[in-house]
Amino acid sequence: DQQVKQNSPSLSVQEGRISILNCDYTNSMFDYFLWYKKYPAEGPTFLISISSIKDKNEDGRFTVFLNKSAKHLSLHIVPSQPGDSAVYFCAARLSTSYGKLTFGQGTILTVHP
Amino acid sequence: DTAVSQTPKYLVTQMGNDKSIKCEQNLGHDTMYWYKQDSKKFLKIMFSYNNKELIINETVPNRFSPKSPDKAHLNLHINSLELGDSAVYFCASSQEAGGAFLKNTEAFFGQGTRLTVV
Repeated sequence: DQQVKQNSPSLSVQEGRISILNCDYTNSMFDYFLWYKKYPAEGPTFLISISSIKDKNEDGRFTVFLNKSAKHLSLHIVPSQPGDSAVYFCAARLSTSYGKLTFGQGTILTVHP
Repeated sequence: DTAVSQTPKYLVTQMGNDKSIKCEQNLGHDTMYWYKQDSKKFLKIMFSYNNKELIINETVPNRFSPKSPDKAHLNLHINSLELGDSAVYFCASSQEAGGAFLKNTEAFFGQGTRLTVV
């Protein structure tokens, strides 16, 4: 029962272009969403988050959009840089769940110079 | 100055052995976790401890026993290791106390321990 899904295993983008990573969830009780970035042989690193009372959060080149009615969120990276090449995980939580994160299976982003 | 550190980074051991993975966080967080990333790359929570108290136990076999001697440490002991236990284990921490609804909290992860059971 995968409550958080990232249906694209990989994404390839040219440097300078926009990268759009998508995530769908099934549990309507989730009220906080996060994106993590992971390099090989390292732990996931927090990137950006959004609460369910918002539909957009921006931090520099990274913007997360939340569509609650569609149970969908996306991460936009503009402009994409080669250093952004990594695995991106979407995660969701309940604010009452003592921090338990439910992760998607990840999307491998490759940014070509 | 690593925020969440776990040791060892790599662990190769034979079936049937008992092993431990240690985790320490210096962020002053009140909640610590163990996550497992299996061969299909899914990251799933195993345990959560809040102020040394077990909060979440996600139907993990009782061969896995977490121990939290204090708020800054959460160790994972695994008895009678099986081939299927091979995975990457991540420790994480976050600050959960505060009482604010939808407060901005995120978990910080260690670098992972790659366990290989042969």
